[in-house]
Amino acid sequence: EDQVTQSPEALRLQEGESSSLNCSYTVSGLRGLFWYRQDPGKGPEFLFTLYSAGEEKEKERLKATLTKKESFLHITAPKPEDSATYLCAANQAGTALIFGKGTTLSVSS
Amino acid sequence: ETGVTQSPTHLIKTRGQQVTLRCSSQSGHNTVSWYQQALGQGPQFIFQYYREEENGRGNFPPRFSGLQFPNYSSELNVNALELDDSALYLCASSSDRGGEKLFFGSGTQLSVL
Repeated sequence: EDQVTQSPEALRLQEGESSSLNCSYTVSGLRGLFWYRQDPGKGPEFLFTLYSAGEEKEKERLKATLTKKESFLHITAPKPEDSATYLCAANQAGTALIFGKGTTLSVSS
Repeated sequence: ETGVTQSPTHLIKTRGQQVTLRCSSQSGHNTVSWYQQALGQGPQFIFQYYREEENGRGNFPPRFSGLQFPNYSSELNVNALELDDSALYLCASSSDRGGEKLFFGSGTQLSVL
């Protein structure tokens, strides 16, 4: 069964304390691995798409990487405004995204 | 450039009723997808419409149905509401039907009592 699993479920960091979020996937015929950010009461906001193992993308304090079995979202020197739920999703059949449950990140000053 | 807008933002219904949720796609986008997000879960794919035709469907019963109009706006209809239908319903538009970069609206929070 195709699925996406994210860990940890929740992560608390101090401002400036770098860490990584994990997304493991078992999806046949992967056509893209997506990262989204979701704030409370809002819809997911697109961050990155990764297509092949070894690919990396960066945006401000965030860097996403992809291997054949998992993806990581690295957060360098986070700030309180980075607090949100981060969702990972896999595009399998070219129509639907299969989402994980997300990692809720809290950054305190 | 306008984003994806959904209405209403909140809705309360009772079990057995019917509901219609509406979505206006981002300008220039011809594909719309609907997702259901239960509390503490990731979004689950309901279906996708491309140029007014259904282009894929997730594991949801037939009482979940949809429409896409010539201006690419969309509706999600749910008949015979059940308590488990309580969730955030998200609409997402894209410029292609390949499941690429999706732009989500803020969702409709549906509560079924």
